[in-house]
This record gives sequence, C-alpha cells and structure tokens, in this order.
Amino acid sequence: GESVGLHLPTLSVQEGDNSIINCAYSNSASDYFIWYKQESGKGPQFIIDIRSNMDKRQGQRVTVLLNKTVKHLSLQIAATQPGDSAVYFCAEIPKKNQGGKLIFGQGTELSVKP
Amino acid sequence: GAGVSQSPSNKVTEKGKDVELRCDPISGHTALYWYRQSLGQGLEFLIYFQGNSAPDKSGLPSDRFSAERTGGSVSTLTIQRTQQEDSAVYLCASSSPGNQPQHFGDGTRLSIL
Repeated sequence: GESVGLHLPTLSVQEGDNSIINCAYSNSASDYFIWYKQESGKGPQFIIDIRSNMDKRQGQRVTVLLNKTVKHLSLQIAATQPGDSAVYFCAEIPKKNQGGKLIFGQGTELSVKP
Repeated sequence: GAGVSQSPSNKVTEKGKDVELRCDPISGHTALYWYRQSLGQGLEFLIYFQGNSAPDKSGLPSDRFSAERTGGSVSTLTIQRTQQEDSAVYLCASSSPGNQPQHFGDGTRLSIL
C-alpha cells in the first residue's frame, strides 16, 4: 500500500553541524510533499514544502530536496541549533487524493548536542 | 493567538464513556482535518471537511467515531463508548482554500482508563 517512511528513527548531531533527515515515499504519483517539526507536547509545525515539479526548495536554514527518480525526499538543516531538537515528519499528498489529506511517515527524532 | 485551538488539552475518562473534542480552526480556513497520533507514531488521517462539501470520513476507524463542523468553523470529534485503544493524541489542522500547508493545533491527549 501507499506509505511514506523514514530511513532512521533517531539522529544525533553536534550543535553547529548540518543535519540531513531522509524520507522515502512509495507513491510515484505524489504531487506535494511537506516537512513538519514536532516538539514534545505540541502539534506539528510547518517547516517547508515542495511540489513535484521542483527538485529543490530553500527556506531559512532549511533546504528540501526531492529526487523523483528514486522517490526520495530529504530535509537539510544548516548550522543545527539546540532549538532544532524535535521529531521531524515528512508527509505527502498523492495526486489522486482530492481531499488534500496528508500521508505521514513515522518520524525521525533529531537530538542536538551542545 | 491566531492559530488552531483545541480543547481540552488533556482528557482522562473511563472505558465506555463518550468524549467530545473541540477544534477552532484559523479564521478564514475552509478546510479542516482531524488526525490521530498514537505514542511514538506518525499521524493517521481521520476525517476532512472542505467548505459545504460532504466530509471525507474514510479514515474513521469505526462507527463509534463521528465529527461535525457547524457553520463552517468549529468542529467537534465525538468518540462513543470509548475503548483503551482510543488512547492517543487527537490533532486538528486547518488550511486555506488552496489547501496547503495545513496548520495544526497542539492536540487533545486522550487517555482511556
């Protein structure tokens, strides 16, 4: 069935280093992808999104890369800070999904060591 | 603030009781979504409202679950005859007519004893 999954459940990085969080998706017809950050006790917070007609999109300290050939999505965080510690989820919307409901991956926990 | 508001933030109830969870979306957002998040898991879609269209209920796990959206704004998710497996965080999101991105509230943490 359709799924969006993450390669690593946990990621530990040193403050100031760059972080890369990876995500694989199975639906080649997916049209839209999004990354959320979730801190403990909070709801998911939008980070960045990308549509299938793009390969790369940059935000403030974050970059999302989309490789449709291998159905892979990644989130890069530059100069990782302690405040970046959280669980990161990728999600997708397949083209056939007229309702716009998101299909979420399981999440990667990012831990930033000071 | 102007974000999605959910209440209560925590709810503890006995097995077999009914519960109602409330969501106030961002003003002007026509789309409203309910998701469920079990401990350490990703989010599972439950139901989706878009304007005056019939809701997409395809994610509701059983007929004990229902939701309403009155006046195109506030939504209530109702779980009847709660079971222990209903324990989870219930998250609400809303989005503008263009549909994305969805903005989430902080959820209701439901615990069934």
